Amino acid sequence: TQLLEQSPQFLSIQEGENLTVYCNSSSVFSSLQWYRQEPGEGPVLLVTVVTGGEVKKLKRLTFQFGDARKDSSLHITAAQPGDTGLYLCAGERDSSYKLIFGSGTRLLVRP
Amino acid sequence: DAGVIQSPRHEVTEMGQEVTLRCKPISGHNSLFWYRQTMMRGLELLIYFNNNVPIDDSGMPEDRFSAKMPNASFSTLKIQPSEPRDSAVYFCASSLWRGGGADTQYFGPGTRLTVL
Repeated sequence: TQLLEQSPQFLSIQEGENLTVYCNSSSVFSSLQWYRQEPGEGPVLLVTVVTGGEVKKLKRLTFQFGDARKDSSLHITAAQPGDTGLYLCAGERDSSYKLIFGSGTRLLVRP
Repeated sequence: DAGVIQSPRHEVTEMGQEVTLRCKPISGHNSLFWYRQTMMRGLELLIYFNNNVPIDDSGMPEDRFSAKMPNASFSTLKIQPSEPRDSAVYFCASSLWRGGGADTQYFGPGTRLTVL
């Protein structure tokens, strides 16, 4: 059973388009992290959201944590080829060390 | 600053052989994680060490897998004997866990293991 479901699994868009990636669960998380992984490398943390309803912006990336802390979204404005990669959400439960990773969204931004 | 270092980057071996993956965490970090990533199952936690002590090994697939952390700057993940289904990318990550929630995990570049 996958605790964190990400959608879509794959996304191929043209440079300049906007997109949203979703991370959903039936479980409540203490916090949620978003990572980006490029080919041949390990995941790199983008952001951590901890409060229900929280919105964080990182340049063209906007992250939102759902009010009930069961879901999150990542919105990218005016996507660029450099945004290409695998986006992973990871949830933490009960203020634990353990992260539960989502299935990932593979994004390709075509020039 | 050096990040998490893993070796080898690529390993190709034959079924039945012993495989040892190595990791050097970031200096000063007290937590170390071994993950396995496959297309089918995504990123899975295999084992977690805190202050060199294994805390959670519930993700270790079976007795063929073992991990050690003899000191704060080195860890190994061993597979003996290896099987084709062990083929995956294995990541080591470290963090400075201060309690009260997950801190930033810093991942190494991974070891791509192929078992023929």
